[in-house]
Amino acid sequence: DTQMTQSPSTLSASVGDRVTMTCRASQSISSWLAWYQQKPGQAPKLLIYKASHLETGVPSRFSGSGSGTEFTLTISSLQPDDFATYYCLQYNSYSWTFGQGTKVEIK
Amino acid sequence: EVQLVESGGGLVQPGTSLRLSCAASGFRFDDYGMHWVRQAPGKGLEWVAGISWNSGSIFYADSVKGRFTISRDNAKNSLFLQLNSLRLEDTAMYYCAKGVWNSYLQDWGQGTPVIVSS
Repeated sequence: DTQMTQSPSTLSASVGDRVTMTCRASQSISSWLAWYQQKPGQAPKLLIYKASHLETGVPSRFSGSGSGTEFTLTISSLQPDDFATYYCLQYNSYSWTFGQGTKVEIK
Repeated sequence: EVQLVESGGGLVQPGTSLRLSCAASGFRFDDYGMHWVRQAPGKGLEWVAGISWNSGSIFYADSVKGRFTISRDNAKNSLFLQLNSLRLEDTAMYYCAKGVWNSYLQDWGQGTPVIVSS
């Protein structure tokens, strides 16, 4: 099974900051990676699929990159609505695994 | 508008069973794979099970294999999860989610809570 490791676990940042977080796969998953945002008491929301494709309606300040085993999610200018927990999901060959999450908190 | 509404959660004792349901609307249900994902209190997301559009392909997480059964009724636009031999560590919010089969999870319900306690 493919394991997913996210870093950092917590990220402290200010409004306007450029924020980057990483997701690493234990084996190559090509570009079969999605990113989700989850706020307390809410269901996860899809942000990015196939590593770099922005879901319809998601602000363009979110971007994803990477392939193989290393992936990043970048928020170009952090907004108050972006303080949340972010999860990656690998979906390769009938296997689905989430990373443990990165919490973005107010500095 | 896609809607996924889970139901059936509750407080149960260890060793007992529960059946969760997910009512889908706003899309052609039999075109999509469906999944259950859970989240223990204060913890991260854990994929639990997935089923293809025609029930021909089903996969489970190792943590629930042999105890949980995913199924669907395309005529009723409904997804189910039968939870047997429940353990304390099965306590979680259970979400249903939709996606193209063998691909990412695109839309999610709001979840139904399962609490396993003696």
